[in-house]
Amino acid sequence: LAKTTQPISMDSYEGQEVNITCSHNNIATNDYITWYQQFPSQGPRFIIQGYKTKVTNEVASLFIPADRKSSTLSLPRVSLSDTAVYYCLVQGLGTDKLIFGTGTRLQVFP
Amino acid sequence: NAGVMQNPRHLVRRRGQEARLRCSPMKGHSHVYWYRQLPEEGLKFMVYLQKENIIDESGMPKERFSAEFPKEGPSILRIQQVVRGDSAAYFCASSPDRIHASNTEAFFGQGTRLTVV
Repeated sequence: LAKTTQPISMDSYEGQEVNITCSHNNIATNDYITWYQQFPSQGPRFIIQGYKTKVTNEVASLFIPADRKSSTLSLPRVSLSDTAVYYCLVQGLGTDKLIFGTGTRLQVFP
Repeated sequence: NAGVMQNPRHLVRRRGQEARLRCSPMKGHSHVYWYRQLPEEGLKFMVYLQKENIIDESGMPKERFSAEFPKEGPSILRIQQVVRGDSAAYFCASSPDRIHASNTEAFFGQGTRLTVV
């Protein structure tokens, strides 16, 4: 299983862009990169998924370089409500379950 | 289409009692996953079930814990003879297909917070 490594915590201010980078050096050819968001006292929520290059939705963008050994979740103009834990996961043919790491705890200040 | 429903949201049990946690997956989802989360920690996989079958229980303690997903009704995570260390948030997720299929998203419930006193 591809192991992921991401910063334990990050601080930001409202209106700033936040980029959270995740390393997954052992990612396999068929693996997808997925990010989940978890607010306090709630279950995780799917944010975005990608395989390569760039993916964008209404919530975030996901940048994946050609070697796919890392990925960056980009949150444009964060607000206080973006304070949460963000998990980077790798899922693919070798997994039948989502493996969560410790995640990145993002704190947004006014 | 209602989301994943877990009940109860909060459960208090005395040491030695049994805890039963229920999870109703989203309509049309036949794959269910249970996770445990201790305070300030990430989610730990416990068990993966597909209707009437346990597919992977590698994360579940060998004793006192069991899970089922019957043909009819919700999935049940059962903890017998609870101890203080079982206090945690237990999350259930469901998906329409196996997670390893591309673009398969798992939907999580709000969790059950178990407190053992």
